[in-house]
Formats: sequence, C-alpha cells, structure tokens
Amino acid sequence: EAQVTQNPRYLITVTGKKLTVTCSQNMNHEYMSWYRQDPGLGLRQIYYSMNVEVTDKGDVPEGYKVSRKEKRNFPLILESPSPNQTSLYFCASRNRDRTEAFFGQGTRLTVV
Amino acid sequence: AQSVTQLGSHVSVSEGALVLLRCNYSSSVPPYLFWYVQYPNQGLQLLLKYTSAATLVKGINGFEAEFKKSETSFHLTKPSAHMSDAAEYFCAVTLNTGGFKTIFGAGTRLFVKA
Repeated sequence: EAQVTQNPRYLITVTGKKLTVTCSQNMNHEYMSWYRQDPGLGLRQIYYSMNVEVTDKGDVPEGYKVSRKEKRNFPLILESPSPNQTSLYFCASRNRDRTEAFFGQGTRLTVV
Repeated sequence: AQSVTQLGSHVSVSEGALVLLRCNYSSSVPPYLFWYVQYPNQGLQLLLKYTSAATLVKGINGFEAEFKKSETSFHLTKPSAHMSDAAEYFCAVTLNTGGFKTIFGAGTRLFVKA
C-alpha cells in the first residue's frame, strides 16, 4: 500500500531535549516536505527536499533541521525544542510532476 | 506574493443542503489548485485538483470546484451535504515553477446538522 509513515504519532517532551520525528514513503517520490499545522494558520511549510541531499527552507524553518540521506526517508529534527514548537506536524511527499501531495497521519508534539 | 484565502473559518449547513466553501488565491504565475479534506486525527486527503485542463473539476465524494481565473477563485461545492462530510477543508496552491512550494489556506471547518 502506498503510504507516508510518520513516527511517533504523539510525543510529549521537555524544553531543550533533542528529538527526531521520522518520515518514510514507499512511493519512490522525489519531493518530500514537512509542515506544521496550527489553529487558524492552516499548514505552513517548514522544510522541503527535492531529492537526496537537496533540502531547502520553507516558510517557518527556525528551530528545525532536516536531512535527506535516502530517497525514502526525511526526518525532522528539533535540536532544542521550545514550547512554541508545540504543534501538529505533517510529512508529505509527491513525484516531480507537481501534482497532489500524499500526507502522513501526523505527529502531535507537545513541548512543556 | 502568493497567498490563499479561505472565507469563513467555520461553515454550518443542514444535511441535504448545498455546500459552498470559498477559496481565493493570488499568484504571479499559473497555479495548480487543490482542495484537501482532513478528518479528525487524520492526515490530509486530496479531494480534487486543477492543473490547467478543464476549469470545472470533479472530485471524490460528490465534490466539485470551478477555477475562475478572472475572479482568482476556486470555490468548492457539493449539491447535497451528508453527515460524513463534516471535516476541515483546505484550499492549496502549488506554483507552476521549479521547486516544491505549496501554500495552504487557513482551513474551513464544515459542520453538518441533522
């Protein structure tokens, strides 16, 4: 089954404790992206990647890092999480013809 | 700058009534336009998309949307609402240029009353 898998689905952590949210897709898509969803703001792009070893900042990259060492994986790293990063995070992927994106189930992160 | 505006953060309709969710966009280049639906505790699922072919686009679950360039609009409609349509709906625009830039609207939560 074609899918985007994020882990974990739910995470509560403390300020400053490094964490990684994993994202994996099995559709051989070139493009992958991370979004955060906040009430009243819709989805905002954090980082995106157009291929292995090619990443770029989205609209709200501060406080986040990403890597793309393999085509299928695109982890999101929070080196020193802060409470303002409490949000719902989505990973998405799509192929290069820029049609629709496929989304993971989301990761609800709470930083206390 | 490119942007997407969804008019109304909440829309309430009665079961069987017309659903109309409004979306306006601004873009300096021809866009691709999308509507996604999000059910509680789930990711986003594509409803329909416009990619410069027919201006009236039909999607899943009886939804359709019409691209109107002169009005820079892409409103989503369904003739008869069903209880299962209650969800949050997002309009999105992807720019028809290099890169991977998709901009989402703030979302409209649809309530369906019995």
